[in-house]
Amino acid sequence: EADIYQTPRYLVIGTGKKITLECSQTMGHDKMYWYQQDPGMELHLIHYSYGVNSTEKGDLSSESTVSRIRTEHFPLTLESARPSHTSQYLCASNQGQPGTDTQYFGPGTRLTVL
Amino acid sequence: GEDVEQSLFLSVREGDSSVINCTYTDSSSTYLYWYKQEPGAGLQLLTYIFSNMDMKQDQRLTVLLNKKDKHLSLRIADTQTGDSAIYFCAENTGGFKTIFGAGTRLFVKA
Repeated sequence: EADIYQTPRYLVIGTGKKITLECSQTMGHDKMYWYQQDPGMELHLIHYSYGVNSTEKGDLSSESTVSRIRTEHFPLTLESARPSHTSQYLCASNQGQPGTDTQYFGPGTRLTVL
Repeated sequence: GEDVEQSLFLSVREGDSSVINCTYTDSSSTYLYWYKQEPGAGLQLLTYIFSNMDMKQDQRLTVLLNKKDKHLSLRIADTQTGDSAIYFCAENTGGFKTIFGAGTRLFVKA
């Protein structure tokens, strides 16, 4: 079982609020990822990190920002939530070494912005 | 470009075999994965196969890889109602990026 955690699991919030979605992993993985997944749809990579102090934008443009101050922690922040941000956000991590490139996923945060 | 395609729905009866198919476009793919997502949950790795393999079996799961046609399939033997979920095919070419398909929704009828 993967040791990767996300909080909160569910969040309903009003427009304009600032929110931070938490993601932590205890596997010592260097690489971490944030995906956005609309209901019944594919995953879209929005942010990734190679390690501490490394963050990059993914394929899908997102108004969110991320930080990687500690290896185990990769929070995602929305400064001003809007209804278009309503989605499921999945965090993942892996070590990125050949042969062990499997991504481990957290349970996800389902965000609803009213 | 990179793309992974899957059929969107599959319905089978309990006890039958399920076969979920996937095609990918990047011939340099190193690893190919099958993930399972249950409602309201994250993705759980089911199995993976290296590109130099043709087949991998793990209990009720059999993965077949046809590199010439860039076709990957997942067979679930003796499908149970607990197998109802979305199954994602994914490919990785050795870098940071894993490309996911849109997922196949498997419905198992009792």
